[in-house]
Amino acid sequence: EADIYQTPRYLVIGTGKKITLECSQTMGHDKMYWYQQDPGMELHLIHYSYGVNSTEKGDLSSESTVSRIRTEHFPLTLESARPSHTSQYLCATQRNTEAFFGQGTRLTVV
Amino acid sequence: GENVEQHPSTLSVQEGDSAVIKCTYSDSASNYFPWYKQELGKRPQLIIDIRSNVGEKKDQRIAVTLNKTAKHFSLHITETQPEDSAVYFCAAILGSNYKLTFGKGTLLTVNP
Repeated sequence: EADIYQTPRYLVIGTGKKITLECSQTMGHDKMYWYQQDPGMELHLIHYSYGVNSTEKGDLSSESTVSRIRTEHFPLTLESARPSHTSQYLCATQRNTEAFFGQGTRLTVV
Repeated sequence: GENVEQHPSTLSVQEGDSAVIKCTYSDSASNYFPWYKQELGKRPQLIIDIRSNVGEKKDQRIAVTLNKTAKHFSLHITETQPEDSAVYFCAAILGSNYKLTFGKGTLLTVNP
């Protein structure tokens, strides 16, 4: 079934660790996004991509990086996790005008 | 810059009442305006959208209206039910790259 897969769903990690949040899609969509969202709150755009080898920073400076080597894969890396990074991270794709979201990764940095 | 403003940030209504959420956008070239609903613990999902060639669209208890001259659009929910409680996001396609930009969201609570 075509969908967006985010792994892990939950992650607890220590301060200073490097982590990569995975996002894969089987929908064949070119546009992909990463959002940071606290519960019930605003979707903060942190990175987006219009296709392979295209990445742009969003509105929120999150000290993270992304790569887009393949259409299906859009991983997000935090080089040094901090407690302020504790949040939910949502990956999304866009086909024409509609956005589709993954189930999210809930990250806790202790 | 190009953005979407959404109001109010929180809205509490009694079951059976109507709820209205309003958004404004900055890019006069925008021609597509979707609304997403995010229930607690779930991912946002598209519930209704409107294109610039129409002024209103209805789907059962929800409707969207668009005023292109004023650059604002609204979500109307009638006969609200507890299951309508969620965060609602408006959005618009902004810029030449057709980037989907979201408003800050409205937490709607429907009290039984």
